Amino acid sequence: GESVGLHLPTLSVQEGDNSIINCAYSNSASDYFIWYKQESGKGPQFIIDIRSNMDKRQGQRVTVLLNKTVKHLSLQIAATQPGDSAVYFCAENILAGGTSYGKLTFGQGTILTVHP
Amino acid sequence: GAVVSQHPSRVICKSGTSVKIECRSLDFQATTMFWYRQFPKQSLMLMATSNEGSKATYEQGVEKDKFLINHASLTLSTLTVTSAHPEDSSFYICSANKWGGSGANVLTFGAGSRLTVL
Repeated sequence: GESVGLHLPTLSVQEGDNSIINCAYSNSASDYFIWYKQESGKGPQFIIDIRSNMDKRQGQRVTVLLNKTVKHLSLQIAATQPGDSAVYFCAENILAGGTSYGKLTFGQGTILTVHP
Repeated sequence: GAVVSQHPSRVICKSGTSVKIECRSLDFQATTMFWYRQFPKQSLMLMATSNEGSKATYEQGVEKDKFLINHASLTLSTLTVTSAHPEDSSFYICSANKWGGSGANVLTFGAGSRLTVL
């Protein structure tokens, strides 16, 4: 069930700074990880994904790092802009076996605020 | 692209009434859709997996008789909150898995439906 009264972690940065958002995942069997951006009142928007056979993947202004040893995922956003302000969620999935693709387990989420 | 539409985006209802939320894949067929619930300032929690032409699979703790799911076609899944109560007020979000696809860029989320039960 849901966690009542839980407050999301927050990260405040200045425009142009680099942002690092962290996530601890729970299932050691998870082999696929995704970062989502969610703006207020909207659904999650895909940012970047990574499979467990990789430890780093880069996109446009974003980099995801995966440390399977400690079950840790991070999202790095370069030159953060005010439009990046949103809640960021990591999600984990198990692709092996092919029966649970799409059944995502979401992390707690982090509120990113970018100040001009 | 892969677009998922939810309707309504906002709904207010009286306690005891039932509310239906639709999730449509607009430009692709989805054999599987997923329904999530999100309370304010919290994460998304998977409620159920909606399977076209068969019964939905519910996550532990989700009442199947309260949250009725129907996936009658490859482009439409509906979630009906029956006998809604104020504690059912939440943001309901669906996602759809593009048939034959792989990778997250074909797992698309709808914009969500805000339910407020008075």
